[in-house]
Parts: sequence; C-alpha cells; structure tokens
Amino acid sequence: GENVEQHPSTLSVQEGDSAVIKCTYSDSASNYFPWYKQELGKRPQLIIDIRSNVGEKKDQRIAVTLNKTAKHFSLHITETQPEDSAVYFCAASIMGAQKLVFGQGTRLTINP
Amino acid sequence: DTEVTQTPKHLVMGMTNKKSLKCEQHMGHRAMYWYKQKAKKPPELMFVYSYEKLSINESVPSRFSPECPNSSLLNLHLHALQPEDSALYLCASSRGLAGTHQETQYFGPGTRLLVL
Repeated sequence: GENVEQHPSTLSVQEGDSAVIKCTYSDSASNYFPWYKQELGKRPQLIIDIRSNVGEKKDQRIAVTLNKTAKHFSLHITETQPEDSAVYFCAASIMGAQKLVFGQGTRLTINP
Repeated sequence: DTEVTQTPKHLVMGMTNKKSLKCEQHMGHRAMYWYKQKAKKPPELMFVYSYEKLSINESVPSRFSPECPNSSLLNLHLHALQPEDSALYLCASSRGLAGTHQETQYFGPGTRLLVL
C-alpha cells in the first residue's frame, strides 16, 4: 500500500527565517497532496494542498512544490512567525482507495 | 455553516460503559470519516462513509460501532473499551472521496476520550 515518509520529525528555526518540510510517497497513482497544521489540543487544519497536474502552489507565506518524477513534495514557510509553531502533517490521496495516508508529522518550533 | 462539530469535547468512561460520540456537518458533504489520534502521531483512519453507506472499515475492533443516520450526522458507538483506546477521536468530512477532485477533508475539533 501507499507509504508517506515525512522529514524532519522536529524542526527549530529562528523567527523570520524559512522552514522546509519534505515528504515522499510510494504510490505513483497518488494525485492529491494536502498539508495540515495542528496546534496543541486543536484539530488538524488544512493550510494548503496541491494536485498532481501542478508543480507549485503558493498562498502568501506558504508554498508547496511537487516533483512527480521523484515522488516527493515539500512545504515551504517563509518569514516564519511564532504562531507558525505547530505540528505539520503531509498526506497523499490514493487514487481509487478512497482515503488519505498521512506522514508522521513534523513539530515546528519558531524561536523568537 | 462551514464547520464540522463534535460532541462531547471530553469523555471519561469505564471499561463496562456504553457511550456515543457525535459528529455533525452542514456543508452538504457526502463523505464522512472517523479517525483515532494518539499523542504525537498522525490521525489513523477508522471508518469512511460515502452517501451514508459504510465504504471503508480499517479492521477496527467491534467495540467501535459507527452509524450514519443521515447525510449530516455521524455517530461512533463505544462499548467495552480498553484503556489503550484512550485517544483523540476526530471526525472529518469531504464533498467526495479520494480521487474525485472533491476530496479535501475538513476536521472537527475532536473528542478526547479517556478509558479507565
């Protein structure tokens, strides 16, 4: 079945710097890749997503890139702020399997 | 209404109790999901309902029993749970299923369950 690997598991950056989280997936039929942010005690919230017919998508300080050949996608956060501190999960949607497969998560800490 | 709501927020139950978790959405979504999330782990899929019919059961023990009374409601009935079932139970909904281009899932706030 599909497997999604996410790295790093923890990431600490200085406020104002950029943060990059990477995920790889195994099933080449996957075609939808969302990113969720989960603050402590809160629900996972969708922050950005990308489909396999697009190589990059940007929303203000957040961008996602997709390399279908290499089967990996990345989340880029620029000009990080303390409120960006959270756990971030990537996921891949398996064509025909009707479900998302999540990565293990990255705990991002923004240091003031 | 653009939210998924869940009740209760917290639940403490003994191993012999019967309780139910409730989830509601009024976004017209036709797919609804139950996930279990342990601390520091990703959400783990339990059940998927599509058009009020169970389409996926991820080999969940029978002490968890899902129910979809209508397109807006999703219940999870709990009976004879074990302490290791303590977790955050998340409900989610989407317009359609994975692979349909309507698969974006929106999560509820969850029910934090403690089994004593």
